[in-house]
Amino acid sequence: KQEVTQIPAALSVPEGENLVLNCSFTDSAIYNLQWFRQDPGKGLTSLLLIQSSQREQTSGRLNASLDKSSGRSTLYIAASQPGDSATYLCAVSGNTGKLIFGQGTTLQVKP
Amino acid sequence: SQTIHQWPATLVQPVGSPLSLECTVEGTSNPNLYWYRQAAGRGLQLLFYSVGIGQISSEVPQNLSASRPQDRQFILSSKKLLLSDSGFYLCAWSRISGSTGELFFGEGSRLTVL
Repeated sequence: KQEVTQIPAALSVPEGENLVLNCSFTDSAIYNLQWFRQDPGKGLTSLLLIQSSQREQTSGRLNASLDKSSGRSTLYIAASQPGDSATYLCAVSGNTGKLIFGQGTTLQVKP
Repeated sequence: SQTIHQWPATLVQPVGSPLSLECTVEGTSNPNLYWYRQAAGRGLQLLFYSVGIGQISSEVPQNLSASRPQDRQFILSSKKLLLSDSGFYLCAWSRISGSTGELFFGEGSRLTVL
């Protein structure tokens, strides 16, 4: 059974810092891995999707990497801003398309 | 472009009352549709998914049911709500074929059962 773990559960950093969020999964037979952002009381916004054949994806100040063999992914946020404050969720899918989510990392970026 | 709508956004219902949450997708055809629940202090749990009209798969035994009466409409229902049904319900869609499997979520419906 696939399990997804995100560390840390919460993170507080000063504005301008570069930071890394971690995601690990137990079954390396994944179809893809997605990173989402969730603001309080809101739905999920897709940030980056990495297919199983890829090693990384970049969008603006965000870079996500995938090491399938070790069951790990990282989300790197460069030059963090207060507007980056949110909960970040990692999810993996098998070939059925169903996503298994981690518990999320709640990020606070202080001005 | 594709959009996904959920309603109502907020709902407060007494125990034992019925429930109907609706989700519609625009701008695409024959999507995969999903209902997730996010309970306080817990992660996102997949409740139901559908690959076509009238085709529903349930992931966990529970007090809820789902239906897909039209290609881009997905409904979550209950005949009698329990306190444990409280939570944040999220509808999502993905393309079936020729896609990366990327999932797109609605804004969610917050249900409080009293």
